This record gives sequence, C-alpha cells and structure tokens, in this order.
Amino acid sequence: DAKTTQPNSMESNEEEPVHLPCNHSTISGTDYIHWYRQLPSQGPEYVIHGLTSNVNNRMASLAIAEDRKSSTLILHRATLRDAAVYYCISGMTTDSWGKLQFGAGTQVVVTP
Amino acid sequence: DTGVSQDPRHKITKRGQNVTFRCDPISEHNRLYWYRQTLGQGPEFLTYFQNEAQLEKSRLLSDRFSAERPKGSFSTLEIQRTEQGDSAMYLCASSYYQTTNEKLFFGSGTQLSVL
Repeated sequence: DAKTTQPNSMESNEEEPVHLPCNHSTISGTDYIHWYRQLPSQGPEYVIHGLTSNVNNRMASLAIAEDRKSSTLILHRATLRDAAVYYCISGMTTDSWGKLQFGAGTQVVVTP
Repeated sequence: DTGVSQDPRHKITKRGQNVTFRCDPISEHNRLYWYRQTLGQGPEFLTYFQNEAQLEKSRLLSDRFSAERPKGSFSTLEIQRTEQGDSAMYLCASSYYQTTNEKLFFGSGTQLSVL
C-alpha cells in the first residue's frame, strides 16, 4: 500500500506557482521522499527527491516539513506542459529506490 | 541515447494467447524494472533485474508471467494464456544503481488489450 496521501486534483493558471501537498505521517527517519510525474500517454518521469532539507532543481522545489510528516512540491511557474499526474512516494530503503509504491497521485490541470 | 524504448506500443490479443513485450534500457544502466498500470491507478511494481539477475518478483507476478534479461541488456516480459484481467499498460524502467540517488527512467509503455 502507498504510504502517502495526496489530493486527487489541483488546478492552476499558467505562469502561476503550484503547490502540491503530500502527507507521509508514517515516514521513518531514513526514508527519502520522491516525486515523479506522468504526462499523458507517457511513462512516469523523475522530478525530485529529498530527505530532510529543502531541495531545488531545474524542474521544481521540494519543501519538507521539520517533522517530515508532510512535504510540498512547488512548481514555480506552471506551463501547459506541466499538466500531469504527480506522484509523491516514500517508504523505500536506499537499496530499493526503484521499487516505487505509487498511489493515485494528484492530477494537475493548468489553464491558459 | 534516446532513452528507454518499448516494443510494441500497442498489443491486442485474444484471451488464451501468449504475448511478449520487449524493453531496451538506456545503455550502461544496470537495473531494469517492469511495472503494470491500469486506468486511473498508479503503476505497480512487478519485477526487477540487476544486470542479468532477477532480484525480486512481486506477488502480483503470477506464474503465467515470466521475465528475462539475457546478457544484462534488453529484457522481455512474456504473459502466457492471457486473461482479460491482464489488460493494462506495461511499463519498463531502467536506472544506474550504485548505492543512493537511484532515479528511474521510464519508457512509454506497451498497452495490452485482451479481448
């Protein structure tokens, strides 16, 4: 079973920021938080991952709560190409990060 | 390198037939994964290889399913005696695993329809 909870869907206007919440209240001290996204008719795509501190890359930022029971994926300026299902995943040991336990994810809709 | 490629993109078969899918990972990637995804759900892990060794199989992988990765390069997933419940998108992913920071690169999948 997936160990994270996400809203089913979120809407955003183009060029505005999108904040995607994720709850992972049963996370252990060594579990990383991973985000993948899946565009229509494609396989999932890695977005970002982190452990304790906030993380940034060219795609997004990941803000992790101090108690690590929740996190937020931030898309700084949504584009139409960011419309996808975003998956927050946790609970894998470091030797099995590839055994991703996907939930249903959050469907992000971006309107022009 | 053009990424992970899967063939065919679509497969329609009749119940009871055998089907085989192929996955070509990113070269130099030592791990290869198979996932299955049904409509409206996230992908589910099926099995994975490190080089040519199959390290784990999910309990979702019934004995009608078999996967191989000869010589640690491409992989095939075969389903024998297909059932309508096997209809799904079958996704392949590869990664370069060392110790941490493993990132999966997925193909676009093979959509299987069992009539």
